[in-house]
Amino acid sequence: AQSVAQPEDQVNVAEGNPLTVKCTYSVSGNPYLFWYVQYPNRGLQFLLKYITGDNLVKGSYGFEAEFNKSQTSFHLKKPSALVSDSALYFCAVRDMGGGSYIPTFGRGTSLIVHP
Amino acid sequence: DAGVIQSPRHEVTEMGQEVTLRCKPISGHNSLFWYRQTMMRGLELLIYFNNNVPIDDSGMPEDRFSAKMPNASFSTLKIQPSEPRDSAVYFCASSLTGDREYFGPGTRLTVT
Repeated sequence: AQSVAQPEDQVNVAEGNPLTVKCTYSVSGNPYLFWYVQYPNRGLQFLLKYITGDNLVKGSYGFEAEFNKSQTSFHLKKPSALVSDSALYFCAVRDMGGGSYIPTFGRGTSLIVHP
Repeated sequence: DAGVIQSPRHEVTEMGQEVTLRCKPISGHNSLFWYRQTMMRGLELLIYFNNNVPIDDSGMPEDRFSAKMPNASFSTLKIQPSEPRDSAVYFCASSLTGDREYFGPGTRLTVT
């Protein structure tokens, strides 16, 4: 079985400050991890993914995520937040060894960046 | 590529009516997903197709919901009869098997 948790419904950060959106996962095998962003009245857009290799993954719009196997986490980060980063962020995981090609999505975290 | 195309973008219908949502996946993608998003329940997977074959429909709420994929370039999600609790945004997404998904813009369904 696979699962993902986003422990924060909402994250508030001031513009220019670093931001972190948390994600933890559970899989039987090796994880295939994703972050997506959803702006109001839009579909989800892909930000970045981790399969193997460097634990720090860089993605779109200056976002990056750090894979931590021991903590089973894949937190999304950005060094300096913009007001335009305000959106709903989803973490997703797929178990590469599970035989299923269906990812499991978290419930989403609303990021609010204050001017 | 135009991305995943969904139609209509908005649908308002009365309870009891049939509703058909349409999706055109990205050319070459062999996986297609239908999701439903509400404030209360978040993003829910309804059904997953691979190579036009339904693989997992465990998320389909009940018999009122049905989905088809007659060919690699078209899929429908039908609700018959519709109920107010079906009001939600319905997303279609496509991918190459196991890879990242490309989401459509969604169909906002309102059942009165």
